[in-house]
Amino acid sequence: SAVISQKPSRDICQRGTSLTIQCQVDSQVTMMFWYRQQPGQSLTLIATANQGSEATYESGFVIDKFPISRPNLTFSTLTVSNMSPEDSSIYLCSVTQGSGNQPQHFGDGTRLSIL
Amino acid sequence: QQQVKQSPQSLIVQKGGISIINCAYENTAFDYFPWYQQFPGKGPALLIAIRPDVSEKKEGRFTISFNKSAKQFSLHIMDSQPGDSATYFCAASIGGNEKLTFGTGTRLTIIP
Repeated sequence: SAVISQKPSRDICQRGTSLTIQCQVDSQVTMMFWYRQQPGQSLTLIATANQGSEATYESGFVIDKFPISRPNLTFSTLTVSNMSPEDSSIYLCSVTQGSGNQPQHFGDGTRLSIL
Repeated sequence: QQQVKQSPQSLIVQKGGISIINCAYENTAFDYFPWYQQFPGKGPALLIAIRPDVSEKKEGRFTISFNKSAKQFSLHIMDSQPGDSATYFCAASIGGNEKLTFGTGTRLTIIP
């Protein structure tokens, strides 16, 4: 399966600031997704990153708060804007490769704490 | 609305025993059911997955049982080992390439 690298692996940020998280894959992938995992909780999908077009956001997540880019088939970024302590979470990138029914693989995530 | 319900929330099993985690779903359009294993500080790793056209799938010590009529599926870990101690998530999607809806997770602890 693809090797997925996320940067940074962790960060501590001040409220009101923004942070951009990068997801780099070592081979071309079909789909890229961004999930949020709050401490001790399950994973919730934020959005599907679409190559060359606007991301598709899930209910409760908006582009102004979580702008996403996907300029090519191996790279995507998620920005967490105007952060508050409630944004303290693990943010995870996941990918699928190929066509048809393919499994989804995850990076190790970015652990974000907001002071 | 929680579309995938998972139980138990935590589970303690003796080494060599069988660990069983259960999930139930609501959306009958789901047709792909993976299980993920997550260790602290790591992302979820795909363990095993099943589609509704089979009732059971086995890979080594891990088995998924699927009951389409009851809309339930479960993970069985045979001969559980301390290295299996992790958090397990069931999930479901419509098509394998699509977004996943996760269960709430089960923290499994295997004791000697």
